[in-house]
Amino acid sequence: GAVVSQHPSWVICKSGTSVKIECRSLDFQATTMFWYRQFPKQSLMLMATSNEGSKATYEQGVEKDKFLINHASLTLSTLTVTSAHPEDSSFYICSAKGPYPSADTQYFGPGTRLTVL
Amino acid sequence: AQTVTQSQPEMSVQEAETVTLSCTYDTSESNYYLFWYKQPPSRQMILVIRQEAYKQQNATENRFSVNFQKAAKSFSLKISDSQLGDTAMYFCAFMTNTGTASKLTFGTGTRLQVTL
Repeated sequence: GAVVSQHPSWVICKSGTSVKIECRSLDFQATTMFWYRQFPKQSLMLMATSNEGSKATYEQGVEKDKFLINHASLTLSTLTVTSAHPEDSSFYICSAKGPYPSADTQYFGPGTRLTVL
Repeated sequence: AQTVTQSQPEMSVQEAETVTLSCTYDTSESNYYLFWYKQPPSRQMILVIRQEAYKQQNATENRFSVNFQKAAKSFSLKISDSQLGDTAMYFCAFMTNTGTASKLTFGTGTRLQVTL
């Protein structure tokens, strides 16, 4: 149980275009989803927290107009990188948390590698 | 603000041996959770073990166990009978008990290599 998927697993796009990444909880309802960014050989950096049906809460220094997050249902959250630039290239990971199977544990997706040319 | 420190950037252990990864944290909270996550080369974050701060008993999951010292704010992970599949990056993480807004604070990670 507690499986989280992400799509796509990797994406290459041209500078200036927008890219959407989906995060789904497959076998549980995710009342809260989190989006992280991870640079090579570094730890995870929290970008934003989203609760179903509410606006996302962004961490300090994260541009909310550039990284649009939508959490429209209890099983789906999306991250849209708008007008992507090479410096946005990174590994993006989502996690989900709900009342079950454990209200205090985040379950992670497999990540999405974004390369902006 | 909470901080998590992992002082061992890299460690190596031979197959079947035991290894301990260290983690310390700083918080003024009294009720919180601690986690160890594993990130293998596939980069999928996998929950290894979790510990509630109010529980004195150390958590165990098969070959994985923790040594939780609340007063010292220490949370080390012991891997027994190490296997090649244990090769991964290990992250220690802290979370306060504040409901749905709870966020994880990660350490910088320890890269573990299991050798033959």
